[in-house]
Amino acid sequence: RKEVEQDPGPFNVPEGATVAFNCTYSNSASQSFFWYRQDCRKEPKLLMSVYSSGNEDGRFTAQLNRASQYISLLIRDSKLSDSATYLCVVNGKAAGNKLTFGGGTRVLVKP
Amino acid sequence: ETGVTQTPRHLVMGMTNKKSLKCEQHLGHNAMYWYKQSAKKPLELMFVYSLEERVENNSVPSRFSPECPNSSHLFLHLHTLQPEDSALYLCASSQDPAGTIYNEQFFGPGTRLTVL
Repeated sequence: RKEVEQDPGPFNVPEGATVAFNCTYSNSASQSFFWYRQDCRKEPKLLMSVYSSGNEDGRFTAQLNRASQYISLLIRDSKLSDSATYLCVVNGKAAGNKLTFGGGTRVLVKP
Repeated sequence: ETGVTQTPRHLVMGMTNKKSLKCEQHLGHNAMYWYKQSAKKPLELMFVYSLEERVENNSVPSRFSPECPNSSHLFLHLHTLQPEDSALYLCASSQDPAGTIYNEQFFGPGTRLTVL
């Protein structure tokens, strides 16, 4: 099992719709989680940090389910500019708090 | 300059060349990182410097040699690379020293390296 696993997508989303996708992680001792956004041929940019059960920032909501070892990202009222690859990142205590990146979920918002 | 900067942005080199990648962070952070991103693969951590000391070397071949002269600058020296080393090399920095859970990392724009 991969340490951090994501559905690569793409998720094709009509503009204005809601989309949600999950990220599963294998290390139950993981303590913090991050969602990054990466546009094509650009660097990852921090979207959200999750240290407890979840976080919300405008149209973006992250939910953490420790029992099932997954974290989700929900995007409401999708904009064309939300089209990107979303990287799930897990900070594993057992791994010396090293960040482990998932392969990313590609989201395409269409008019 | 703000954030994390990297130079050069693009680099083409032969297998016998020696080149260096430079990263500078203007955020007052305490830790800096080198990552490799190959096509269709997750980011791979290469090196970590925390408070100017190397704390992680993720089994990276010796043809990659990092240098951290101070908390704001990080270099990656390259020599006798292979074509499979072609990738996007990303530098990142974080406020907290590496090894804490509050490890929000901020990335530079990367150097796209092509090895011929």
